[in-house]
Amino acid sequence: SAVISQKPSRDICQRGTSLTIQCQVDSQVTMMFWYRQQPGQSLTLIATANQGSEATYESGFVIDKFPISRPNLTFSTLTVSNMSPEDSSIYLCSARRNEQFFGPGTRLTVL
Amino acid sequence: GENVEQHPSTLSVQEGDSAVIKCTYSDSASNYFPWYKQELGKGPQLIIDIRSNVGEKKDQRIAVTLNKTAKHFSLHITETQPEDSAVYFCAASSGNYGQNFVFGPGTRLSVLP
Repeated sequence: SAVISQKPSRDICQRGTSLTIQCQVDSQVTMMFWYRQQPGQSLTLIATANQGSEATYESGFVIDKFPISRPNLTFSTLTVSNMSPEDSSIYLCSARRNEQFFGPGTRLTVL
Repeated sequence: GENVEQHPSTLSVQEGDSAVIKCTYSDSASNYFPWYKQELGKGPQLIIDIRSNVGEKKDQRIAVTLNKTAKHFSLHITETQPEDSAVYFCAASSGNYGQNFVFGPGTRLSVLP
């Protein structure tokens, strides 16, 4: 298994600002992912964070809004840019090594 | 693309009874089917999974069955306990690298003492 930590665990932000979420895995993994989970809903994949190259975004998500970095095999960041109240959600980092594991999530509220 | 349906959306059982959650998927290429448990304020936790070359897998009180012909798989929890109360998500995936990893909408299980 893998242990995944995220920072911050929660934040309250003003509209128009940006927030960067950090994800740290306790060991090297090939695949890292970012998901969004709106209250009471299932998980939606935002993008796959590729080490050494640009992230691969799912339909409906764009790099300008959700820039992602993956500088090495244990770390990734997701930035939520120019936030609006519709971005209020839980953002989950995930890593895959045989099975897929999730971090505890970052609960974001945009006022 | 893959579509995963999950039923029921909510389930209440008495402590000690069994709970069954069913999922169906659409993509015959899917070959990996995990189940996650998400407690309030936490990230999803993998509890059991099954691959397409196996029909059933069991781990203590939890079991998963897979019917590839019918494209459905089920989670069975026996002797339920209050700490089993959570939201359960099924997922289906094809490929070796997590692409096309699609989650069901979730089932909120309540185990009543």
